[in-house]
Amino acid sequence: DGGITQSPKYLFRKEGQNVTLSCEQNLNHDAMYWYRQDPGQGLRLIYYSQIVNDFQKGDIAEGYSVSREKKESFPLTVTSAQKNPTAFYLCASRNQGHNEQFFGPGTRLTVL
Amino acid sequence: AQTVTQSQPEMSVQEAETVTLSCTYDTSESDYYLFWYKQPPSRQMILVIRQEAYKQQNATENRFSVNFQKAAKSFSLKISDSQLGDAAMYFCAYRSRTSGTYKYIFGTGTRLKVLA
Repeated sequence: DGGITQSPKYLFRKEGQNVTLSCEQNLNHDAMYWYRQDPGQGLRLIYYSQIVNDFQKGDIAEGYSVSREKKESFPLTVTSAQKNPTAFYLCASRNQGHNEQFFGPGTRLTVL
Repeated sequence: AQTVTQSQPEMSVQEAETVTLSCTYDTSESDYYLFWYKQPPSRQMILVIRQEAYKQQNATENRFSVNFQKAAKSFSLKISDSQLGDAAMYFCAYRSRTSGTYKYIFGTGTRLKVLA
């Protein structure tokens, strides 16, 4: 089945540790996105990528990093510089020339 | 900068009744897309309906329809014959059609409760 997978579903880390969230899609989509979701704040864009080896900062990129070495993969690293990393993280993809995004199931990150 | 506002944090509807969720947006652009996404308790975001701003006709998808008022910058979602499975968070989103613009802007969401 075509779709977007995010792993793991739940992730726990100690404060001060970097952690990488996985996002893989087999939809052959060109664009990929990372969002952060907090209660009462909707979805906020962290990073997005339109093509391989290229990505742009979103509205809340500080403390995060990404890579786009392969079309199907767009991992997000939450660094120790992110002040409040505990949140729900959503990955999405979109085919060029189409309007809507397709979302993965999300990863709940808890930093202890 | 564009903004999207959902002024109803929570709404309730009786099963089989109709409910309307509100969304307003602010933009100086004339060409854009608008979307409604549903996020059930599983937290999987699902596209409900989309509207192109250049189309005057309101979009419909089965029991879901929109009331798009471009001059008023309003984009409300009407759910007819509400079902228990409609209970979810609903997010309104905006995306510019300007070339090179790929960002989506989301509202803060409306939690819909469906009462049996």
